[in-house]
Amino acid sequence: DTAVSQTPKYLVTQMGNDKSIKCEQNLGHDTMYWYKQDSKKFLKIMFSYNNKELIINETVPNRFSPKSPDKAHLNLHINSLELGDSAVYFCASSPALQNTEAFFGQGTRLTVV
Amino acid sequence: SQQGEEDPQALSIQEGENATMNCSYKTSINNLQWYRQNSGRGLVHLILIRSNEREKHSGRLRVTLDTSKKSSSLLITASRAADTASYFCATDFYGTDKLIFGTGTRLQVFP
Repeated sequence: DTAVSQTPKYLVTQMGNDKSIKCEQNLGHDTMYWYKQDSKKFLKIMFSYNNKELIINETVPNRFSPKSPDKAHLNLHINSLELGDSAVYFCASSPALQNTEAFFGQGTRLTVV
Repeated sequence: SQQGEEDPQALSIQEGENATMNCSYKTSINNLQWYRQNSGRGLVHLILIRSNEREKHSGRLRVTLDTSKKSSSLLITASRAADTASYFCATDFYGTDKLIFGTGTRLQVFP
């Protein structure tokens, strides 16, 4: 059983398009995150949600809009995609906001052409 | 930036040797964690060490934490080719609700 699953695994799209990445966790965790990993492998937090409430929005362009329909899901919608959005996006979850390990999905490699 | 710095950026060793990676950070932490990332995969949690702990072991992994120097090290003993991966430290900063990842160390273990 996959603990944190995200789809799709690969996404190739043209500039200007709108796309979504879905994430689901079956661990019963309260907290979910989106991270962006760039070509240099730097991993940067984008958003965190706790019990469906937005906790952190790390100066991410408002073209990125997370949506948490319930505690087990955190989807990421991106409008008007730009070349610089190309990266690997990771969803993660943890039992609580602090002092706990995070469980990561396999990543979605987004390529904007 | 709160991001941790890791060194070395890359490390190549032979199977059986020990590998040591270091992480430095800038502000007070609740805990520090180490993660492994195999190529093309997600991150896997290895060890969490709390700010009041100095050393922790898990199998062939040994983590130390020196809060006075704001640094941590990860030692992998008797390395194997399967240990080839990128290793990241992540800090849970005091007063925040976010896990900040370091720049990572790419470890290559040759058989």
